Amino acid sequence: GAVVSQHPSWVICKSGTSVKIECRSLDFQATTMFWYRQFPKQSLMLMATSNEGSKATYEQGVEKDKFLINHASLTLSTLTVTSAHPEDSSFYICSARDGRRVAAYEQYFGPGTRLTVT
Amino acid sequence: AQKVTQAQTEISVVEKEDVTLDCVYETRDTTYYLFWYKQPPSGELVFLIRRNSFDEQNEISGRYSWNFQKSTSSFNFTITASQVVDSAVYFCALSGGVQGAQKLVFGQGTRLTINP
Repeated sequence: GAVVSQHPSWVICKSGTSVKIECRSLDFQATTMFWYRQFPKQSLMLMATSNEGSKATYEQGVEKDKFLINHASLTLSTLTVTSAHPEDSSFYICSARDGRRVAAYEQYFGPGTRLTVT
Repeated sequence: AQKVTQAQTEISVVEKEDVTLDCVYETRDTTYYLFWYKQPPSGELVFLIRRNSFDEQNEISGRYSWNFQKSTSSFNFTITASQVVDSAVYFCALSGGVQGAQKLVFGQGTRLTINP
């Protein structure tokens, strides 16, 4: 149980275009989802936290107009990188938490999406 | 503020050696959770263990063991009889507050290479 999927697993896009990454909880309802970014040989950095049906909370330094997050349902969150540039190339990982479970501290991670902007 | 420090950036050992990965954390919460994750070259995070702040018992799972010491704010991870398949980046992480309601904070990671 507690499986999180991401789509696509990798994507290459041209500079200036937008790309959408999907994060789905397959067998539980994710009341909270998190988006992380990981540059090569670095740690995971939290970008934003989204609760179902409300606006995402962005970490300091993350441009909310560039990284659009939508958490419209209990099983789906999307991250859209708008007007992508080469410096946005990174590994994007989502995680999901079921706040209604006793073990609310558990975060279940997706497999990640590798974005390359050319 | 919460912080996790993994001072060892890279470790390289020969197969069958024991290796310990260090993790030191900082938090003002009395209730918190500590985690270890493995990230193989594929990139997908693999959950290894979770410990809450009230449970200082050490844990052993096969070749893996964890030593949690609140007195030194450390949560170290030991692999005994290491194998090549253990090669990966290992992250220690901290989540504070009741039921770990706060965000997960990761250490910088330790890249472990096991040489045949």
